[in-house]
Amino acid sequence: DTGVSQDPRHKITKRGQNVTFRCDPISEHNRLYWYRQTLGQGPEFLTYFQNEAQLEKSRLLSDRFSAERPKGSFSTLEIQRTEQGDSAMYLCASSFQGFQMNTEAFFGQGTRLTVV
Amino acid sequence: GEDVEQSLFLSVREGDSSVINCTYTDSSSTYLYWYKQEPGAGLQLLTYIFSNMDMKQDQRLTVLLNKKDKHLSLRIADTQTGDSAIYFCAESMNYGGSQGNLIFGKGTKLSVKP
Repeated sequence: DTGVSQDPRHKITKRGQNVTFRCDPISEHNRLYWYRQTLGQGPEFLTYFQNEAQLEKSRLLSDRFSAERPKGSFSTLEIQRTEQGDSAMYLCASSFQGFQMNTEAFFGQGTRLTVV
Repeated sequence: GEDVEQSLFLSVREGDSSVINCTYTDSSSTYLYWYKQEPGAGLQLLTYIFSNMDMKQDQRLTVLLNKKDKHLSLRIADTQTGDSAIYFCAESMNYGGSQGNLIFGKGTKLSVKP
């Protein structure tokens, strides 16, 4: 396994356009997380999934944002009608949570979004 | 509310020890973490400590936890130029012990001078 993979690595889009990012977690990891990191800040939690169920959404996740994990494996994060304030690094992480074992979160390298 | 605070910058000479400090507010956090981020790279987990421990040592890294003061520190012994990066302190949101629901500090930029 090569770790958490995110695609694309960079995205430049015009304001008002929709964008979609993909995250492939470490296989067998049942939890998947999305974070946003703006310049000079630490990552901020957006949402997470347990298998295909979205269990928590931050208030940072406006109604222009939607995340899915339809088969409990890869996930997509879509931003509709992008705004300049959406420019950030979007990080994905995965972990395993079980009855007798749980692992730390492993992060991908992120997708850097620039809205012009 | 929940918050994690760190100093923003630290500069040391190669070979010296570095100590990065962090304070947190949520006393119910199960785990506390140190992540490293190099330019253009994702977050790399360095080490973590369970909340019922006072200290954890892993090669050049020593983590100290003072639960009473809600203070966490990371000591890097024999700091090398390759240790130059941003170091993030994070606490778990304690959602059933999940290790991925995290609150991060703003990061401490460590500069190592030769």
